Amino acid sequence: DGGITQSPKYLFRKEGQNVTLSCEQNLNHDAMYWYRQDPGQGLRLIYYSQIVNDFQKGDIAEGYSVSREKKESFPLTVTSAQKNPTAFYLCASSSPGTGPGELFFGEGSRLTVL
Amino acid sequence: EDQVTQSPEALRLQEGESSSLNCSYTVSGLRGLFWYRQDPGKGPEFLFTLYSAGEEKEKERLKATLTKKESFLHITAPKPEDSATYLCAVQARSSASKIIFGSGTRLSIRP
Repeated sequence: DGGITQSPKYLFRKEGQNVTLSCEQNLNHDAMYWYRQDPGQGLRLIYYSQIVNDFQKGDIAEGYSVSREKKESFPLTVTSAQKNPTAFYLCASSSPGTGPGELFFGEGSRLTVL
Repeated sequence: EDQVTQSPEALRLQEGESSSLNCSYTVSGLRGLFWYRQDPGKGPEFLFTLYSAGEEKEKERLKATLTKKESFLHITAPKPEDSATYLCAVQARSSASKIIFGSGTRLSIRP
């Protein structure tokens, strides 16, 4: 079955450490996205990529980095520069025919900074 | 500034008690409005896309409608399995790649 796989599901990090969240899709979608979800707030866009080897900053990119070396993979690194990294992180993809509004989401990764 | 506001924040209904969720939006030209369902600890699941005022979409007990300023998600005779957070999002005509999400309505259906 096609879908998006995020790992790990839960992650604990000490302050000052970088962590990388994995996102893999087998939907053959060109566009991939990373969102952050905090309680009581809407999903906020961190980074997006519409094609391999190209990506753009979203609304809250500071303290994060991404790469897009393969169509299937879009990993997100949460760096030590991110001041408040504890959150639920969601990876998504979309097909060219539907645009950025009809998104397929992964199950999410919950990051907790100790 | 483009904005999406959902109300109420939380809604508790008895099984079979119909109601509506509201999504008000301010955007410089609407390209599309989207509804999602999100279960606790899971990623959102796409439900509907609406493009123009007057449009309606239905799926089982859910019906989404759109006006020039807001969208409603009507839930008819809900069941406990309809309990979830419902998210609304909009895409502006000026944005080819991004959508803006509201903070969601948490719906709970009591048996």
